[in-house]
Amino acid sequence: ETGVTQSPTHLIKTRGQQVTLRCSSQSGHNTVSWYQQALGQGPQFIFQYYREEENGRGNFPPRFSGLQFPNYSSELNVNALELDDSALYLCASSLQRGLPEQYFGPGTRLTVT
Amino acid sequence: AQTVTQSQPEMSVQEAETVTLSCTYDTSESNYYLFWYKQPPSRQMILVIRQEAYKQQNATENRFSVNFQKAAKSFSLKISDSQLGDTAMYFCAFPYYNQGGKLIFGQGTELSVKP
Repeated sequence: ETGVTQSPTHLIKTRGQQVTLRCSSQSGHNTVSWYQQALGQGPQFIFQYYREEENGRGNFPPRFSGLQFPNYSSELNVNALELDDSALYLCASSLQRGLPEQYFGPGTRLTVT
Repeated sequence: AQTVTQSQPEMSVQEAETVTLSCTYDTSESNYYLFWYKQPPSRQMILVIRQEAYKQQNATENRFSVNFQKAAKSFSLKISDSQLGDTAMYFCAFPYYNQGGKLIFGQGTELSVKP
């Protein structure tokens, strides 16, 4: 059974640029959630996707957007990067929408300079 | 509002000893789950243990157990026979179904196991 994978591992971008982060869900999981984890903090929920549609969103501006594909993999896109967007971005998958357990990938470390 | 609070930013324990990490939460729901996640320096968030609120029996997973006090809204994690590999950040988390089942995390407790 393949776990949650994310790419890239690390990324450095300049303020104002755009970035795309990728996630492959665990085998058989159809729900994907994205979290932002600032240094020394707990993860903060960005949004969740279920069957290619957004299924809940946290307190993040519209420049944070996402996609889910028919194979349940997902992308997180961030436009007009700001310095405060520097963080670890975590993807988590769950077997079904509504099931509480979420299984996390190793994360993408984004640095905005 | 659903909140999760971990009041111990850092803790340390000697190898083979027992340590307890504290977590309190606030919710108006009656049926829910609670989780402890471990995040080692490798960054991978690992699910350690889960508790279902309707179950009175405290959950146990090998050396990890919880003390769940529903009335007090307290959910502590006990690690017995601590090992060097237990060194990590530990997060208490609560799934909030009204927003797509998002997990609400506490601020974390950094645990160091010393030889």
